[in-house]
Amino acid sequence: SYVLTQPPSVSVAPGQTARITCGGNNIGSKSVHWYQQKPGQAPVLVVYDDSDRPSGIPERFSGSNSGNTATLTISRVEAGDEADYYCQVWDSSSDHPVFGTGTKVTVL
Amino acid sequence: QVQLVESGGGVVQPGRSLRLSCAASGFTFSRYGMHWVRQAPGKGLEWVAAISYEGSNEDYADSVKGRFTISRDISKNTLYLQMNSLRADDTAVFYCAKDPTDSGDPDYYFDYWGQGTLVTVSS
Repeated sequence: SYVLTQPPSVSVAPGQTARITCGGNNIGSKSVHWYQQKPGQAPVLVVYDDSDRPSGIPERFSGSNSGNTATLTISRVEAGDEADYYCQVWDSSSDHPVFGTGTKVTVL
Repeated sequence: QVQLVESGGGVVQPGRSLRLSCAASGFTFSRYGMHWVRQAPGKGLEWVAAISYEGSNEDYADSVKGRFTISRDISKNTLYLQMNSLRADDTAVFYCAKDPTDSGDPDYYFDYWGQGTLVTVSS
C-alpha cells in the first residue's frame, strides 16, 4: 500500500516558521489533507486539497504539494500550535485513505 | 454547529463483540458519507470503515474486513460500528468522522470528528 513518511518531530521557536513534510511516491499527483491533533483531543482538519483552509483555520496554516513531497507550513508559530500533525491522501491502489506517520511539533 | 458524539466503548475480552454509536447533529446527516477512524494508544491514525450517504455502499480496511460492520440509521441521525471477533490489536480510540461531500461519492477525507470512544480488548 501507499506509504506516507513524515519526520517524527519538528521544533520551532515562537514567531518562526514550521515546515512539516509528507513524502510519498509522486504525491504531487494526489490531493493531500492535513490534520492537527492536540494531546487528548480529536484531530482537526487544517488544510484540505493540498492548500485550502477550512473556515476558522488561521491563514498562518498553508499547504503545498509537488513531486514527491507535500508540505504544511505554519507561519508565526504560537504556543497553541504545539500538536501532532498528520497528512492523508487517497491511495488509488488500495482504494482506501492512508495517513502519514505523524509529526510532533514542539514550540520551544 | 456540527457535533459528533461517540459512545459504546469499554473493556471487552478477545473474541467478543461490541457496538459503537455516533450521534450526529448540526448537519443533514442523510446527505453525507461517514467514517470510522481509530488510533491505538500512542500510535497514528488508521481509517477503519466508510458508509455512503444513502447507506448503500460500505468500505472497510483490510484489517477489519469480515469482522466489523458499519451502518447508519437516518431516522436517529446515528452511525454505528458493529465489531465482532475483537482482538488485542483492535485496542484503540475510535473516532467517527464526517465526509465533506454532499450527496455524492465520499471524498475520503474528514472535515469533522467526534471526541472518540476508547475500546480496550483484554482478558
